[in-house]
Amino acid sequence: GQQLNQSPQSMFIQEGEDVSMNCTSSSIFNTWLWYKQDPGEGPVLLIALYKAGELTSNGRLTAQFGITRKDSFLNISASIPSDVGIYFCAGQQRSGNTGKLIFGQGTTLQVKP
Amino acid sequence: DAGVIQSPRHEVTEMGQEVTLRCKPISGHDYLFWYRQTMMRGLELLIYFNNNVPIDDSGMPEDRFSAKMPNASFSTLKIQPSEPRDSAVYFCASKQNSMNTEAFFGQGTRLTVV
Repeated sequence: GQQLNQSPQSMFIQEGEDVSMNCTSSSIFNTWLWYKQDPGEGPVLLIALYKAGELTSNGRLTAQFGITRKDSFLNISASIPSDVGIYFCAGQQRSGNTGKLIFGQGTTLQVKP
Repeated sequence: DAGVIQSPRHEVTEMGQEVTLRCKPISGHDYLFWYRQTMMRGLELLIYFNNNVPIDDSGMPEDRFSAKMPNASFSTLKIQPSEPRDSAVYFCASKQNSMNTEAFFGQGTRLTVV
């Protein structure tokens, strides 16, 4: 089936460092989403991107929708301990069934105080 | 609204037993999704419904898995008979409509089949 390739799989960084993760696909997506999952909880939406080339910020988070529509990245600046969790990219295609969300495999982030 | 509600939060069962997972989506949401999360495969979409109708069940692993949505406020995912490899966290999510992209997730059901 369709897959989103997310990298890196895991990161262990020092508090205050910047973080970057990305997601690529062989298919075109019309919407890219970034979610965060805290331990024992379901994923929660961080940022939604709707247009190729779009760059969107949410506090210390910045995400971009790749111009080819096949990739996206998420940056976290000045990381803090509560940034710990699993970050997922997700893509939605508008053709045909419009509700289907496909998720990447996640990037596990650990932040050392 | 209390959000997407899943029950039970944890389920431990013996191999061969029937397991039923339950989900109450957010009121007014047209879409409901069932996902399975494992370390090896990440978040996999199993099936999703639009207005209570199953739209895509291509992610359902095999015939042992079935899902229903008898009304707009309730869905079940059933595994019969269960096997140890079904052990995972199962998430239900709902979305308002096709134009709205944010899917809201429940807290998940952690299933352990021994």
